[in-house]
Formats: sequence, C-alpha cells, structure tokens
Amino acid sequence: DGGITQSPKYLFRKEGQNVTLSCEQNLNHDAMYWYRQDPGQGLRLIYYSQIVNDFQKGDIAEGYSVSREKKESFPLTVTSAQKNPTAFYLCASSIGQGTGANSPLHFGNGTRLTVT
Amino acid sequence: AQSVTQLGSHVSVSEGALVLLRCNYSSSVPPYLFWYVQYPNQGLQLLLKYTSAATLVKGINGFEAEFKKSETSFHLTKPSAHMSDAAEYFCAVSERSGNKLVFGAGTILRVKS
Repeated sequence: DGGITQSPKYLFRKEGQNVTLSCEQNLNHDAMYWYRQDPGQGLRLIYYSQIVNDFQKGDIAEGYSVSREKKESFPLTVTSAQKNPTAFYLCASSIGQGTGANSPLHFGNGTRLTVT
Repeated sequence: AQSVTQLGSHVSVSEGALVLLRCNYSSSVPPYLFWYVQYPNQGLQLLLKYTSAATLVKGINGFEAEFKKSETSFHLTKPSAHMSDAAEYFCAVSERSGNKLVFGAGTILRVKS
C-alpha cells in the first residue's frame, strides 16, 4: 500500500540536542511538507519542498532545517535553537506542486517529540 | 493573508443528532476549501474538498459541507452522529494559485451515547 511513513512515533530528547525526524513516501508525490501541531493551534507550516533539491521556509521555520535529496524522503531536523520543540510533527505530501483542489495533502501518522 | 476561523474548539452532540461544525475563511477570491479529520495520535484524513464545481460537497462517512460565498463559510454537517465520528476536525483553505494550505485551529467533536 502506498503511503507516508514517519518514524519514530515517539521521540524523547534532552534539551540542547539536535534531533532528526524521518519522513518517507512511496506515493511518487512531488511536494512534501512539514507541519507542527500544538493543542488549540491547528497545524502550522514549518518547511515545504515542491521538487528535489529545493525547499522553502514556511511560517515557523526558525530552529528547524530540512533536506530533499531524494523524491521519497524529506527529513526534518529540530535544532537546539528551537525554543519550544515539544510538539506533534506531521509530514504530508501532495501529487502536484501546489495544494489546489487536485492536490489534497496526504498525511503520515506523525511523530510526537518531547524535549526535557 | 488568508485565515481560517473555526467557531467552537469543542462541540458535543448526542448519538443520532445533527453535527454542525463551523468554518469561516478570509480570502478576496473563492479559494479551495478542505475539511480533514484527525483521530487521536494519527495524521489527518481528507473528508471532502470544494473545487467550485458544486456548492454542496459530499464527503466520506456521510459528511457534507456547503460553500456560501456571501457568508465566506464552509460549514461541515452530518445528519446523524455516530460514536465513531468522535475526533478532531480541521478546516483548511488554499489559494487557487498558491502552494500552501492554511489550517484552522480545529474543533474536537464529542459524541455522547
């Protein structure tokens, strides 16, 4: 079955450590996205990539970094510069390079990161 | 900038009752509109989407939403709630020429037996 795989499901880190969240898709989608979800705030866009070797900052990119070396993979690194990293992180993809009607987002099951 | 407002962070209905989840958007031109559902500790699933082909959109699991341009609304309804509908629901908007989806804050639906 095609889909998006995020790993691990739960991740615990000490403050000051960088951590990388994995996102892999086998849907052959061009675009990939990282969202952060906090209770009562909906989803906020961190980074997105419309094509391999290219990515753009979203609304809350500070303290995060990404890479897109392969079409299937879009890992997110949460750096020590991120002031409040504890959150639920969702990866998504879409078939086209936009989020129009023909390109709804497909989501992974998320990674819950806890930093203490 | 586009924004989405979901009225009511929590909605509680009895099993078999009407479900109404409210969503209003701000956009100068009719955008693309979506409703997603999220079950605990999972990702989001697409319920339905508005493409401008019809103002009343039917989705999965018996849900539907009506686009009302004059009210800039896209409320989600279901005639009869089921226990399995308990989840968090997100309204989202995308500009037709854009490449970003903006989400509302979400509404948690509770279904009482």
